[in-house]
Amino acid sequence: GDSVTQMEGPVTLSEEAFLTINCTYTATGYPSLFWYVQYPGEGLQLLLKATKADDKGSNKGFEATYRKETTSFHLEKGSVQVSDSAVYFCALLSGGYQKVTFGIGTKLQVIP
Amino acid sequence: DSGVTQTPKHLITATGQRVTLRCSPRSGDLSVYWYQQSLDQGLQFLIQYYNGEERAKGNILERFSAQQFPDLHSELNLSSLELGDSALYFCASSVRERTEAFFGQGTRLTVV
Repeated sequence: GDSVTQMEGPVTLSEEAFLTINCTYTATGYPSLFWYVQYPGEGLQLLLKATKADDKGSNKGFEATYRKETTSFHLEKGSVQVSDSAVYFCALLSGGYQKVTFGIGTKLQVIP
Repeated sequence: DSGVTQTPKHLITATGQRVTLRCSPRSGDLSVYWYQQSLDQGLQFLIQYYNGEERAKGNILERFSAQQFPDLHSELNLSSLELGDSALYFCASSVRERTEAFFGQGTRLTVV
């Protein structure tokens, strides 16, 4: 079945550091890939998406590239801020009927 | 604000009881999904409905059931509650299948 493997956290970075959160997936066919973010006490919000190979999704300084050859969708940001502290979920959507499969989530803590 | 409304926001109940969680999807969205988020299990897909019909089932216990009504709102019924059912329950909706989902703020269920 479909699965998403995400690096376990927590990840602690200093403000303005470079961020990478790794995500790899297993899926049949050609899934769409997403990153969701969950701020403390809130629901999940879509951060960015990519629907086909080599697409780059970007939003709020975050970006991720759909790499079919390595089945990866790593999340990156050049300079993190304290306000980026949250839990980040990698997810995929595949199949004839929509079922979004999530990774375990990676908690990011950015310290001043 | 994602446009997905979940009620109640918080629920405290005793073991053995039954509760109903309600979800109103974004206007125009036909698909509704339910997820359970607990500390030890992460984000688990429970069930999906599309335009009133069950489309996909995940790790949903037999004590749990759901339905989507003609006005497209959905309810998740949890019965014979156990301490381990304490979790955040999220509803998400999407306009159609194979599009990204938008999440509600969640219902925090505490079973005592």
